[in-house]
Amino acid sequence: GAVVSQHPSWVICKSGTSVKIECRSLDFQATTMFWYRQFPKQSLMLMATSNEGSKATYEQGVEKDKFLINHASLTLSTLTVTSAHPEDSSFYICSASDVYYEQYFGPGTRLTVT
Amino acid sequence: EDQVTQSPEALRLQEGESSSLNCSYTVSGLRGLFWYRQDPGKGPEFLFTLYSAGEEKEKERLKATLTKKESFLHITAPKPEDSATYLCAVSNWTGANNLFFGTGTRLTVIP
Repeated sequence: GAVVSQHPSWVICKSGTSVKIECRSLDFQATTMFWYRQFPKQSLMLMATSNEGSKATYEQGVEKDKFLINHASLTLSTLTVTSAHPEDSSFYICSASDVYYEQYFGPGTRLTVT
Repeated sequence: EDQVTQSPEALRLQEGESSSLNCSYTVSGLRGLFWYRQDPGKGPEFLFTLYSAGEEKEKERLKATLTKKESFLHITAPKPEDSATYLCAVSNWTGANNLFFGTGTRLTVIP
């Protein structure tokens, strides 16, 4: 149980284009979903938190107009990186939290912007 | 400010050589302390949640313990497949349910 999927697992895009990443909780309803990014050999950095049907709460320093988060249902959240630039290249990981507040992570999405 | 410090940063063990990883924390009201395992290029895999001092949990060769200031992840007779980065995180009692992560311990088990 407690499986979270992400799609795609990796994506390459050109500078200036937008990319959407999906995060799904497959066997439980997620009260809250989280988006992280991780640079090589560093720990996870929380970008934003979202509850179903509500606007996402962004961490300080994260541009909400650049990283659009939509939490459409209790099992689906999407992160759209708008007008991507090479510095947005990173490993993006989502997690989903159940009623016991334990977070389960997706496998991650490797984004490369050329 | 909530803070998590993990040590050592990296650890190399011979197969079968038991050891412990440390996670020291300061938090304004501990809701839970979490251990995750992360393999390169993958998302963290949930291992344990500990809620109160004195609590212990075990899973195969791993055992997690918790005091009021730190947590230990004990690895007994490790195998090469235990090689990974082990992450510790804490959650407090604010409404956000955010996790504050340490920087991890990179464990390598040599056959």
